[in-house]
Amino acid sequence: GDSVTQTEGQVALSEEDFLTIHCNYSASGYPALFWYVQYPGEGPQFLFRASRDKEKGSSRGFEATYNKETTSFHLQKASVQESDSAVYYCALGQNSGGSNYKLTFGKGTLLTVTP
Amino acid sequence: DTTVKQNPRYKLARVGKPVNLICSQTMNHDTMYWYQKKPNQAPKLLLFYYDKILNREADTFEKFQSSRPNNSFCSLYIGSAGLEYSAMYLCASSRGQGCDTEVFFGKGTRLTVV
Repeated sequence: GDSVTQTEGQVALSEEDFLTIHCNYSASGYPALFWYVQYPGEGPQFLFRASRDKEKGSSRGFEATYNKETTSFHLQKASVQESDSAVYYCALGQNSGGSNYKLTFGKGTLLTVTP
Repeated sequence: DTTVKQNPRYKLARVGKPVNLICSQTMNHDTMYWYQKKPNQAPKLLLFYYDKILNREADTFEKFQSSRPNNSFCSLYIGSAGLEYSAMYLCASSRGQGCDTEVFFGKGTRLTVV
């Protein structure tokens, strides 16, 4: 079945550091790829998506590029802020049969940014 | 209002007792989902309604029931709770399905079974 692997379970950075969270996927078809962010006490929120190879998704200074060759969708931000502290989920989406569309999530990466 | 509301936020249940979790949305979304999230695991899709049609995942088919009496409400029902049901339960909704669909999540209900 489809799966998403996030390499880092936790990332600790200082403000203005560069962020990379690694995401690799395995899927039988040609999925769309997503990043979701979950702030403390909230539910996951859509951050951005990419639907085809080499497409870049971005939002709020975060970005990731769909790489079909390496089956990756790594999240990056040039300069993190304390307010970016949250759990980040990589996900893939594709049809699971008929008209049913399914999101498959990774385990999430807890980002902690200190001033 | 783009919120999905879940009640209660915390639920304590006894082993062997039933549990009913409630979710609502006012965005007129046709699809509503239930996910289970355990520590150090990915959110796992349990089931979803597309309009009035219920789709349950094969590996959790017999463990969870659901009802959707109208477009706005959806419940998740556990007939006999076991310790393994302790988890965060996330409800979500979307308009339609597909790669251009944005899924909105509630804040979750933390279920503890003792």
